[in-house]
Amino acid sequence: DTEVTQTPKHLVMGMTNKKSLKCEQHMGHRAMYWYKQKAKKPPELMFVYSYEKLSINESVPSRFSPECPNSSLLNLHLHALQPEDSALYLCASSMQGNSGNTIYFGEGSWLTVV
Amino acid sequence: KNQVEQSPQSLIILEGKNCTLQCNYTVSPFSNLRWYKQDTGRGPVSLTIMTFSENTKSNGRYTATLDADTKQSSLHITASQLSDSASYICVVSSPSGTYKYIFGTGTRLKVLA
Repeated sequence: DTEVTQTPKHLVMGMTNKKSLKCEQHMGHRAMYWYKQKAKKPPELMFVYSYEKLSINESVPSRFSPECPNSSLLNLHLHALQPEDSALYLCASSMQGNSGNTIYFGEGSWLTVV
Repeated sequence: KNQVEQSPQSLIILEGKNCTLQCNYTVSPFSNLRWYKQDTGRGPVSLTIMTFSENTKSNGRYTATLDADTKQSSLHITASQLSDSASYICVVSSPSGTYKYIFGTGTRLKVLA
């Protein structure tokens, strides 16, 4: 069982809505990630937080706004999304940002924008 | 350009048969290579991780090999089961790319009864 918990599992939102995806881990990991995955494609990195500070933003549109309230929590705030933003959003964590660490993924949040 | 390519794109086998999935990469410098299993609609789960000095690593019926000279890896599945039906993703990381893991396009495996 994954130790990275994501909520909600499914979310349907209109293009004018504001919603949030939440992620939680209690493994003591200090790096947390958001990935976006379209059908039959590999995950694409969106954001990385290291020690609660944003380390990487892969040129993600501002309608996606990440937040790391503490070392165990990671949120992704969504506003004014487009239908093409519909995808599986995966949260992940690793001990640190060192590439030698295994990254653990959550189950994902299925987002549908209508 | 750092790339990870997997083959075949998809594969159908009968239950009980063996199969081998391939991963070729051009990532340099190389840190480690991981194989993940991803069930449809769920997050990827790590199967194996291999560093430069490791040639083979097993996890139950899954055996991964790595040839760092030719930059190739394979994942061999023995005595396949219906539950092996999933996408298998090869992920390579580089020490120069902190936080960045380069994902392959995946192989979709379907095991039939």
